[in-house]
Amino acid sequence: GENVEQHPSTLSVQEGDSAVIKCTYSDSASNYFPWYKQELGKRPQLIIDIRSNVGEKKDQRIAVTLNKTAKHFSLHITETQPEDSAVYFCAARRYNFNKFYFGSGTKLNVKP
Amino acid sequence: GAVVSQHPSWVICKSGTSVKIECRSLDFQATTMFWYRQFPKQSLMLMATSNEGSKATYEQGVEKDKFLINHASLTLSTLTVTSAHPEDSSFYICSARVTTGGSYNEQFFGPGTRLTVL
Repeated sequence: GENVEQHPSTLSVQEGDSAVIKCTYSDSASNYFPWYKQELGKRPQLIIDIRSNVGEKKDQRIAVTLNKTAKHFSLHITETQPEDSAVYFCAARRYNFNKFYFGSGTKLNVKP
Repeated sequence: GAVVSQHPSWVICKSGTSVKIECRSLDFQATTMFWYRQFPKQSLMLMATSNEGSKATYEQGVEKDKFLINHASLTLSTLTVTSAHPEDSSFYICSARVTTGGSYNEQFFGPGTRLTVL
């Protein structure tokens, strides 16, 4: 099965700085990679996703890059704000498969 | 966007009792729902895939006789924790996969159920 690894486990940045979270996956057949943000005690919320036919996707301060050859993808948050503080999870899935495989999560702390 | 609800949001029960958690897709039909378990400060662990009209598919290491899943309609899946014990205490989250429309292939999560077994 798929194995998704995520780094770092914790990340502390100053408000206004950028944050980068990286994930690697093992199954070359995986072709859908979402990122979720989970605030304490709440449900995970999809913040951005990317499919394998695209190398980069951007949505305002958030961007995701995908390197299919190396089998890794990254989340980039620019101009971080305190409200970006949360746990972020990456995931991977094959197109016709139901299962999402999640990374271990990164706790992001944005210091004001 | 698609909305998934869960009920109850929290439950406290005595050891040995059974607890049922409901997961509903409110504005779309979900042939497939998923049940996850999340321990504090840890990732989501997939427990099982719930398929409407058929048996659930359990992940390795998950006891299907302990965690009973029923997906009787296109909008409702239930997870019953039977003979609950303190080690079953956890945050249980369901999700549903959208298979039509603009959110195709996305997965939407319910708000979760905090189970505490005394």
